[in-house]
Amino acid sequence: AQSVTQLDSQVPVFEEAPVELRCNYSSSVSVYLFWYVQYPNQGLQLLLKYLSGSTLVKSINGFEAEFNKSQTSFHLRKPSVHISDTAEYFCAVSNTGGFKTIFGAGTRLFVKA
Amino acid sequence: KAGVTQTPRYLIKTRGQQVTLSCSPISGHRSVSWYQQTPGQGLQFLFEYFSETQRNKGNFPGRFSGRQFSNSRSEMNVSTLELGDSALYLCASSLEGAGTDTQYFGPGTRLTVL
Repeated sequence: AQSVTQLDSQVPVFEEAPVELRCNYSSSVSVYLFWYVQYPNQGLQLLLKYLSGSTLVKSINGFEAEFNKSQTSFHLRKPSVHISDTAEYFCAVSNTGGFKTIFGAGTRLFVKA
Repeated sequence: KAGVTQTPRYLIKTRGQQVTLSCSPISGHRSVSWYQQTPGQGLQFLFEYFSETQRNKGNFPGRFSGRQFSNSRSEMNVSTLELGDSALYLCASSLEGAGTDTQYFGPGTRLTVL
């Protein structure tokens, strides 16, 4: 069985500060990893995903995540956050043939001025 | 291209009643997944449908059921509602439901059980 653990339920941070949202997973098979974001009063949308190849993946708005197989982690980072990054972030895992994506409990990022 | 639509957006029901929620996927998407979202629990997987067949289901009681039609539209039904069923129910569509697919989410149906 697969599972996803997001280690922080809430992360408050000041604008322009760096941030890391932590995600660990467990799986007995090869996985694909995703970060989805849910802005206030909006639906979830994909932020970035790791399927294969380079372990560092980046989004268009400055976020990046690194797949670490030995530590079974896929932490999300941004070097300088903006007020508009305030949202809930969900880490998710799937695999080939499972037809099922498992989501973490979410991390609420709150960016303060 | 239109996004994923869910109807109704809000529902208020009382314990013991049943409810049906509807989801229309993005055109061309054949896989539909359903999730229950509650504070602190994140998204809990309910089930996934592809070509009218349920391919996987989560750990929910049999009161939760679903189906998919030939046009890929999907419905989920909850019978004998309990207070704990109050949640945001999200539908997501993808091309084939493969592990590599990006899921596109609808706005959700907020169900309140009184």
